[in-house]
Amino acid sequence: KAGVTQTPRYLIKTRGQQVTLSCSPISGHRSVSWYQQTPGQGLQFLFEYFSETQRNKGNFPGRFSGRQFSNSRSEMNVSTLELGDSALYLCASSPRATGNPVLGYTFGSGTRLTVV
Amino acid sequence: AQSVTQLGSHVSVSEGALVLLRCNYSSSVPPYLFWYVQYPNQGLQLLLKYTTGATLVKGINGFEAEFKKSETSFHLTKPSAHMSDAAEYFCAVTNNNAGNMLTFGGGTRLMVKP
Repeated sequence: KAGVTQTPRYLIKTRGQQVTLSCSPISGHRSVSWYQQTPGQGLQFLFEYFSETQRNKGNFPGRFSGRQFSNSRSEMNVSTLELGDSALYLCASSPRATGNPVLGYTFGSGTRLTVV
Repeated sequence: AQSVTQLGSHVSVSEGALVLLRCNYSSSVPPYLFWYVQYPNQGLQLLLKYTTGATLVKGINGFEAEFKKSETSFHLTKPSAHMSDAAEYFCAVTNNNAGNMLTFGGGTRLMVKP
């Protein structure tokens, strides 16, 4: 069974540009969550999508957005990039909508974004 | 609301020694607790999880953790450290009111000395 696939693995962008990251969940999983990991702030929740609907959103500015497609693949977009957006962006997939997370959350390898 | 505190951002042990990584949580409703491991330039790999039932949870690579409600703790242990255990470890919490949002602790970097 294929795992969670994130593309690209590495990305270098210039301040002010925008970027789109992609996450393909495990087949059959309908929930995709995004996290930002930085040395200073650690792992922070960005947002979660389930069945193409954003169900939960973390405390990030509106420059961070996402969407989910009918096949459960998800994209996140960051507009007007700032140096502080440099981070490892991780996505996690889960089969559940709510209730006991017996099956847990499976993470991808992440996309390393560097803003210069 | 939920939160996680991992005591000790760096822990160093000798190969063969006991590994103890500390995690305390706060949750307004019954929690679900997780330990993840992260190797350099990789994502998060699930070590073990507590959802309901038995409070002593066994995971992969010889790790285990015990859920102690009275102490709001979920410490991770391994009887004998291997060099390959050197990595960063994250404790995380969620609950039925949090959707699929995980709240992570700050992480503990485990170093294993030969």
